[in-house]
Amino acid sequence: DIQMTQSPSTLSASVGDRVTITCRASQSISSWLAWYQQKPGKAPKLLIYKASSLESGVPSRFSGSGSGTEFTLTISSLQPDDFATYYCQQYNSYRRTFGQGTKVEIK
Amino acid sequence: EVQLVESGGGLVKPGGSLRLSCAASGFTFSSYSMNWVRQAPGKGLEWVSSISSSSSYIYYADSVKGRFTISRDNAKNSLYLQMNSLRAEDTAVYYCARDPTSAPSAFDIWGQGTMVTVSS
Repeated sequence: DIQMTQSPSTLSASVGDRVTITCRASQSISSWLAWYQQKPGKAPKLLIYKASSLESGVPSRFSGSGSGTEFTLTISSLQPDDFATYYCQQYNSYRRTFGQGTKVEIK
Repeated sequence: EVQLVESGGGLVKPGGSLRLSCAASGFTFSSYSMNWVRQAPGKGLEWVSSISSSSSYIYYADSVKGRFTISRDNAKNSLYLQMNSLRAEDTAVYYCARDPTSAPSAFDIWGQGTMVTVSS
């Protein structure tokens, strides 16, 4: 299976900060990468698909980039609602795998 | 409203069985592949199983292969996960999730989850 590694595991930031999360795949997955946001006790929410396509209804402060094995999720100006855990997921095959998550905390 | 609602979770002893259900509404269920994803307490997300729209293609994670069976009833707009030989490490919230395309996809719609606890 393709392994997904996120960094950092935890990130402390303030409202208004620019935040970047990195996800690396153990082999090339082209652009078959998604990003999700999860808040405590809730289901994950799709933010970005195909590495850089914004899901409908997701604020434009979220953006994704990358291809092959290295990808980033950027929040251009962190808002109070953005404090959550973020997961990347590859879907290069039906055996989809997730990164271990990045928790964005209030500094 | 597009919605997925899981049910069937609960407390079960090691070695026991449980059947989860996922009821879909607000979209043409029979046109979409579906999935189960789980999350152990305090841990990350783990894909468990996928089933194509017509049940022709089924995939399992190695951790559940041979113990879990995914199925669907398109007439009832329902997805199922039969879990046998349950282990403590199967303890998790189980989510059903939709594939928006016929190819492997990101999961665009998720249910609220149902908790499965395996403990004596």
